Amino acid sequence: DQQVKQNSPSLSVQEGRISILNCDYTNSMFDYFLWYKKYPAEGPTFLISISSIKDKNEDGRFTVFLNKSAKHLSLHIVPSQPGDSAVYFCAASERDDMRFGAGTRLTVKP
Amino acid sequence: EAQVTQNPRYLITVTGKKLTVTCSQNMNHEYMSWYRQDPGLGLRQIYYSMNVEVTDKGDVPEGYKVSRKEKRNFPLILESPSPNQTSLYFCASSLQGRGFHGYTFGSGTRLTVV
Repeated sequence: DQQVKQNSPSLSVQEGRISILNCDYTNSMFDYFLWYKKYPAEGPTFLISISSIKDKNEDGRFTVFLNKSAKHLSLHIVPSQPGDSAVYFCAASERDDMRFGAGTRLTVKP
Repeated sequence: EAQVTQNPRYLITVTGKKLTVTCSQNMNHEYMSWYRQDPGLGLRQIYYSMNVEVTDKGDVPEGYKVSRKEKRNFPLILESPSPNQTSLYFCASSLQGRGFHGYTFGSGTRLTVV
């Protein structure tokens, strides 16, 4: 029972353009949502998070949007850079339980 | 440098031979957790610990044991490994279990059981 789903296994964008990574969830009790970035041979690193009481959180080139009615969140990267090429995991937490999606591999082409 | 250290990075073992993957953090975090990553399934939690001497099962605890005798260490024990435990394992820690500040992950241990 995957409570957090990332339906796109991969995404390819051109350098300088916007990257939009999507995530859907089923548990309405999740109160925090997070994005992690993972390079090969490294562990995931925390990127950005959003509380369920907000609909947007911005940190530099990264913005996370939350649509609670649709149980959907997205990560926007603007402008995309080749160094952003990595696997991105969406995660959601309820109290001490954190669930992860399967990940989306982003490739940013020069 | 604040970090989570896992050892070994790579391990090939045979079915039934007990093994331990170590995890240590230097951030005085209360919360520690083990995940396994499998293709198409993302990260699934094996066990977690809210504090010393407190451990709980995650989603896929079968075939694994953990202990938390000290705050900094959280070893993962496979008493009798089987091929379906071939996976990429990550240890993670956090100030608290609540997810807002994110977890700090180790670099991973790739385990192959033949």
